[in-house]
Amino acid sequence: GAVVSQHPSRVICKSGTSVKIECRSLDFQATTMFWYRQFPKKSLMLMATSNEGSKATYEQGVEKDKFLINHASLTLSTLTVTSAHPEDSSFYICSARQLAGETRETQYFGPGTRLLVL
Amino acid sequence: AQKVTQAQTEISVVEKEDVTLDCVYETRDTTYYLFWYKQPPSGELVFLIRRNSFDEQNEISGRYSWNFQKSTSSFNFTITASQVVDSAVYFCALSEATGSARQLTFGSGTQLTVLP
Repeated sequence: GAVVSQHPSRVICKSGTSVKIECRSLDFQATTMFWYRQFPKKSLMLMATSNEGSKATYEQGVEKDKFLINHASLTLSTLTVTSAHPEDSSFYICSARQLAGETRETQYFGPGTRLLVL
Repeated sequence: AQKVTQAQTEISVVEKEDVTLDCVYETRDTTYYLFWYKQPPSGELVFLIRRNSFDEQNEISGRYSWNFQKSTSSFNFTITASQVVDSAVYFCALSEATGSARQLTFGSGTQLTVLP
């Protein structure tokens, strides 16, 4: 149980285009989903916290107009990188926290999306 | 504010050796949760364990064991008889119970390399 999927796993795009990444909790309902960014050999950096049906909460320094987050249902959150530039190239990982149950304090992570902007 | 420190950036061991990964945390909350995650080269973070602040019992799961010491604010992770497949980056993380978001604060990670 507690499987989180991400799509696509890898994407290459041209500078100036927008890229949408999907995060789905496959076998549980997620109250909250989180989006992280990870640079090579670095730890995870929280970008935003996404709650179903409400606006995402962004961490300081993360541009909300550039990284659009939509949490349309209890099993799906999307991150859209708008007008991507080479500096947006990174590994983006989502996680989901269960709505209820013994494991509700645990975040389960997706496999990540490698974004390369040319 | 909470903080997680993993002082060991890289560790290299030979297969079958035991290895301990250190984790020290700081928090003002009395109720919190501690986690260990494994990140193999594929990139996915694999959940290994969650421990709440009221449960100081050590835990063993196969070759993995965890030692939680509130007195020293540490939550160390030991792999017994290490295997090449254990090679990965291991992250320790903390989540405070106050607030509904339950955001994770990660340590900087320890790169473990197990040599054959």
